[in-house]
Amino acid sequence: NAGVTQTPKFQVLKTGQSMTLQCAQDMNHNSMYWYRQDPGMGLRLIYYSASEGTTDKGEVPNGYNVSRLNKREFSLRLESAAPSQTSVYFCASSDTGIGNQPQHFGDGTRLSIL
Amino acid sequence: GQSLEQPSEVTAVEGAIVQINCTYQTSGFYGLSWYQQHDGGAPTFLSYNALDGLEETGRFSSFLSRSDSYGYLLLQELQMKDSASYFCAVRDGGDYKLSFGAGTTVTVRA
Repeated sequence: NAGVTQTPKFQVLKTGQSMTLQCAQDMNHNSMYWYRQDPGMGLRLIYYSASEGTTDKGEVPNGYNVSRLNKREFSLRLESAAPSQTSVYFCASSDTGIGNQPQHFGDGTRLSIL
Repeated sequence: GQSLEQPSEVTAVEGAIVQINCTYQTSGFYGLSWYQQHDGGAPTFLSYNALDGLEETGRFSSFLSRSDSYGYLLLQELQMKDSASYFCAVRDGGDYKLSFGAGTTVTVRA
């Protein structure tokens, strides 16, 4: 199994360009998440989808939109990229149910905005 | 909101024991998790505590005290491959989302 797959792995954009980051999971998980990771700041939640058909804002949603296309896929869109959005973006998924449901992460997308 | 505090860096020699502390402030609490990240790659799950006490998984153990809003990750018999960043994370609601600390970089020296 591939687990969580993110595309692309690297991307360079110019300020004002738009971009969609793709994420797909093959573990039949209900919940999916988008994080950004900046030096010294850990992982910050941008948006999440608790189940197919629902999306909610996380800690840092401004400048982003998401789409839960189906149970497998959760995309993140930057409509007008800004240099402050230069970061490493991680997608994750988890099951739901009683007890701990660990999150499984993709390898990340390294995004630079010039 | 949520707030998690953990040390930024720890250095130790092979074979030593390292304890990474994590204190948290959250509006609700469902559990404290620990994740490991090598060289900026995909974070991977290490351990989870929902109740007070110690959970042991091989060389790694995790402890939780809910009354103190405090937990720690204990790395024993350190190996070079344990050099990585370690993040504590709190689940504070019923929807499974996590709030992460800023991470602790562990460097293991020969």
